[in-house]
Amino acid sequence: EAGVTQFPSHSVIEKGQTVTLRCDPISGHDNLYWYRRVMGKEIKFLLHFVKESKQDESGMPNNRFLAERTGGTYSTLKVQPAELEDSGVYFCASSQYGGSVHSPLHFGNGTRLTVT
Amino acid sequence: SQQGEEDPQALSIQEGENATMNCSYKTSINNLQWYRQNSGRGLVHLILIRSNEREKHSGRLRVTLDTSKKSSSLLITASRAADTASYFCATVSGTYKYIFGTGTRLKVLA
Repeated sequence: EAGVTQFPSHSVIEKGQTVTLRCDPISGHDNLYWYRRVMGKEIKFLLHFVKESKQDESGMPNNRFLAERTGGTYSTLKVQPAELEDSGVYFCASSQYGGSVHSPLHFGNGTRLTVT
Repeated sequence: SQQGEEDPQALSIQEGENATMNCSYKTSINNLQWYRQNSGRGLVHLILIRSNEREKHSGRLRVTLDTSKKSSSLLITASRAADTASYFCATVSGTYKYIFGTGTRLKVLA
């Protein structure tokens, strides 16, 4: 079984530019999550998809962030325009079931975003 | 808002010793999970304990949960250099909400 894959693994962009991160969850996993970790801080929830629908996007910092999950398969997270404080590691995770049926999350290796 | 908060932030021990890290949280939960992250990699699920369980074991891992104190602990026995990593607790509330803390950085010295 292929794991969660994220692309790119690293991205360095200038302030004001646009970056798109991609996540391919494990096949058959309806639940897809995006998280972000800023240096030394908590792994912060951004949003959660169930299939193609946004279940919870309460963690999205502002309208410069746009997440999509076309057809309920892979997901993209676009930052436009990027600001310095957007730097961090962006993780994607997927699960087959929701948390109430005691399902673990499967994580990708993350995308390290540096905004200069 | 942050739910899980691990303690200590960093821990350094000798190989063969036991490592204990703690997690405190704020709201009611369905279950609590522990994950490990090796540098540059994604988080890997270690163990899950449900809200109606008090203790769980898996190999060299022992997890306890005290819902009255809203706290959990992870014990790694007979630590190895390969256990060097960051460890995170995640609380699961509602149906889908997984909330992580800041993590404990564990260093096991050979």
